Amino acid sequence: GEDVEQSLFLSVREGDSSVINCTYTDSSSTYLYWYKQEPGAGLQLLTYIFSNMDMKQDQRLTVLLNKKDKHLSLRIADTQTGDSAIYFCAESPMDSSYKLIFGSGTRLLVRP
Amino acid sequence: NAGVTQTPKFRILKIGQSMTLQCAQDMNHNYMYWYRQDPGMGLKLIYYSVGAGITDKGEVPNGYNVSRSTTEDFPLRLELAAPSQTSVYFCASRSGTGGHEQFFGPGTRLTVL
Repeated sequence: GEDVEQSLFLSVREGDSSVINCTYTDSSSTYLYWYKQEPGAGLQLLTYIFSNMDMKQDQRLTVLLNKKDKHLSLRIADTQTGDSAIYFCAESPMDSSYKLIFGSGTRLLVRP
Repeated sequence: NAGVTQTPKFRILKIGQSMTLQCAQDMNHNYMYWYRQDPGMGLKLIYYSVGAGITDKGEVPNGYNVSRSTTEDFPLRLELAAPSQTSVYFCASRSGTGGHEQFFGPGTRLTVL
């Protein structure tokens, strides 16, 4: 079945890079996503990567996809206190591309 | 555009009571979704809809009902509230043509005592 796993917590110092990791089981996933959830708010799409890509860069964000290992990572350069939030990895299965399967989220804490 | 709106923001129910969580979107999106988020967990899909008049079950539909009489609205009904339904509920929508991003509402925090 489909499953997405993430580590629960990451703490970094302001200005350092953060790397949040995710593993998934469905090798037929078409898109993989990173969503951000700030306290008391809904989820907001940060970035996504199509399954035939290895890397995508968008300003301070770099997404790396290793299809062989079914591993996705999100790197945030120069992490700021405003980046403190919960980050969710999600996959879109090929057989039901209108659905998303979410991981349990990684809480990122940025220390001043 | 207001995007996806949800009401109420918070609600406390007693066991056995009923309520409807409202969700509306003004982006003319075909797809709409209801998720629940339990503490420390990811989002689980309750129900979804691919257009007005069409709904289908997600991973955790038991204890809930939905309807989709218009493109804009997708209410979620709890008939006999149970403590296991204490959660944060998110509604989301997505365009059916080309776009694949899901847009989320701010959530409804429901407590069943």
